[in-house]
Amino acid sequence: GDSVTQMEGPVTLSEEAFLTINCTYTATGYPSLFWYVQYPGEGLQLLLKATKADDKGSNKGFEATYRKETTSFHLEKGSVQVSDSAVYFCALPISGSARQLTFGSGTQLTVLP
Amino acid sequence: GAGVSQSPSNKVTEKGKDVELRCDPISGHTALYWYRQSLGQGLEFLIYFQGNSAPDKSGLPSDRFSAERTGGSVSTLTIQRTQQEDSAVYLCASSSQTELRTGELFFGEGSRLTVL
Repeated sequence: GDSVTQMEGPVTLSEEAFLTINCTYTATGYPSLFWYVQYPGEGLQLLLKATKADDKGSNKGFEATYRKETTSFHLEKGSVQVSDSAVYFCALPISGSARQLTFGSGTQLTVLP
Repeated sequence: GAGVSQSPSNKVTEKGKDVELRCDPISGHTALYWYRQSLGQGLEFLIYFQGNSAPDKSGLPSDRFSAERTGGSVSTLTIQRTQQEDSAVYLCASSSQTELRTGELFFGEGSRLTVL
């Protein structure tokens, strides 16, 4: 079935370091892909999305490119900040059920000053 | 407020008791979802409501779980005869679009349930 696999965390980086959080997917067709973020004490919120192959989603300095060749949607940021500390979730709609999202297990990111 | 509101934020209960969790979605959002987030796990879909259509209950883990949505707005998730494995954070989300391809979900902060 449709699923996403995220790199396991937790990830700890120093401020201004480069971030990559890997996400690969298994799906029928070419669904939209999403990254959600959960800051401490808050609900999940959409960080960025891509709706078709080769699209690049971007927001708050984060980027992810929809690569169908490698079935990947890795999240990257060139210079992380302490305020980026959060849990990041990769997600996609389940095939045949456009109303359901399936989420990865989440990657905890901690950025140290 | 403008966001999705959930209550209670924390609930501790004894095994075998019933619990009710409430979700107040963003005004005007026709779609409402319940997810469960267990420690170290991703989000597990439970149930989906869309307008007046019959809910998609395919994710409910057992018949001890039920949910209703009154008047197309507030939703209540009920867990009967709680078990320790029900301990988790229960998340509610709403959306203004039926297709997730171009839409997004707006999540509440969740209700943390602990079953002793």
